[in-house]
Parts: sequence; C-alpha cells; structure tokens
Amino acid sequence: AQSVAQPEDQVNVAEGNPLTVKCTYSVSGNPYLFWYVQYPNRGLQFLLKYITGDNLVKGSYGFEAEFNKSQTSFHLKKPSALVSDSALYFCAVSRRALGSSNTGKLIFGQGTTLQVKP
Amino acid sequence: GAVVSQHPSRVICKSGTSVKIECRSLDFQATTMFWYRQFPKKSLMLMATSNEGSKATYEQGVEKDKFLINHASLTLSTLTVTSAHPEDSSFYICSARRVIREGELYTGELFFGEGSRLTVL
Repeated sequence: AQSVAQPEDQVNVAEGNPLTVKCTYSVSGNPYLFWYVQYPNRGLQFLLKYITGDNLVKGSYGFEAEFNKSQTSFHLKKPSALVSDSALYFCAVSRRALGSSNTGKLIFGQGTTLQVKP
Repeated sequence: GAVVSQHPSRVICKSGTSVKIECRSLDFQATTMFWYRQFPKKSLMLMATSNEGSKATYEQGVEKDKFLINHASLTLSTLTVTSAHPEDSSFYICSARRVIREGELYTGELFFGEGSRLTVL
C-alpha cells in the first residue's frame, strides 16, 4: 500500500529565512510525488510535482522540492520565506501516472501548517 | 490554469435531509473526478473515485448508500449526502483529472475545487 508521512504538524519560520517542510513516502514501483498548498476554507493549489528526470523540481511561488530515492523523501523548500506563505501544505503520492488508464489517485499526507512570522 | 467549480461553497441543513454538492470542470473534460473529505486541520481522506458513465469506486469504510456519487457527464460529478447527520459535517473537496497528450505520452494533472463546507444541525 502507498502512504505519505509528514512528520511535522507545524513548522515555524521567520520571514526571510529558508524553510523546509518534510515528506517521506512509501510506494511500490516508481512514485509520482506532489506538493499542494491550502489556504483557510479553500481548495488545494498545485505547487509542483516529480514524475521523472531531475531530482530537484522547481514549482510555483519560488518553492522547490528534492526527490531523494534512497531516503524516500520529497521535502519542500524555499530559500526565503514570506508571511504570505503561511498555509497548510500537503505532500501526496500516486503510484501511477495521472494520465494513465489507471485512475492514478492521490494519497495525501496529514498536512503541515507553515507559520511564517514577520 | 484549468478551473474546477464546486457548488455550494457552504450549506447548512437539518438532520435527516439530503444535500447535493456539484463539481464541474469548466474548461476541460474529466472522465475521472475524486471526492475528498477533510476534517478540521486534518488531511484529505479520499472517499471515492467518480468515473463518467460508470459506477463510482468507493474507498474502504465509506458508505456508498450514504454518499451517492453520480458522474453523468464529462464535466459534472455530484456528491449527495443522504439523510445527513451532525457527524457528516465536514469540508468536502472534489478534484478533476485532466489528461494531456504529449505525442505518445499521456500525462495528467489534478485540479481541485474550492470545497464545500457542510454543517448539519
């Protein structure tokens, strides 16, 4: 079975400092990994994804994530945090490509609240 | 980017009534949509996969007679919470899968609705 773990319920960081939101996964075969952000009472917004290729993936709003196969991790990072980055972040994994004939459904981690203080 | 519309955004109902939530993909066709339930400050729990023209696939532990899903067209899926009770109060989010063909390769992306907050009194 596939699963995703986000070990931190909350991450606090000062504005301008680098941030890291951790994610580890468990899936048989090649994983397809995603990061989404959710603002209060809103749906999810796509940040970035890893399908294949370079382990360092760059996404929206200056975020990036590094796929580490040996550590089965896909940590989200940003060099300089903004107060507006404060939100709930979800890591997700799919065992199959979303475009395949299989549904490619996503399994989400439990979410990490990012709090960026001025 | 692609847009998924979810309606209503908020609904309050009395216990015992049924509530329908709509999920529409506005600018693409989606043969597959997903319904999630989110509890306060918690992750999204996949409830079911909605397939156009066929029955929905429910996740383990989700009552299919309680949460009726209909995917009647390539742009619309509905979730009906039947005989709602206070414990059904939650934030329900849908997502639609857009498949993109790039030469011989098919890729896909999920787009999420804004969510529907259901409160059952």
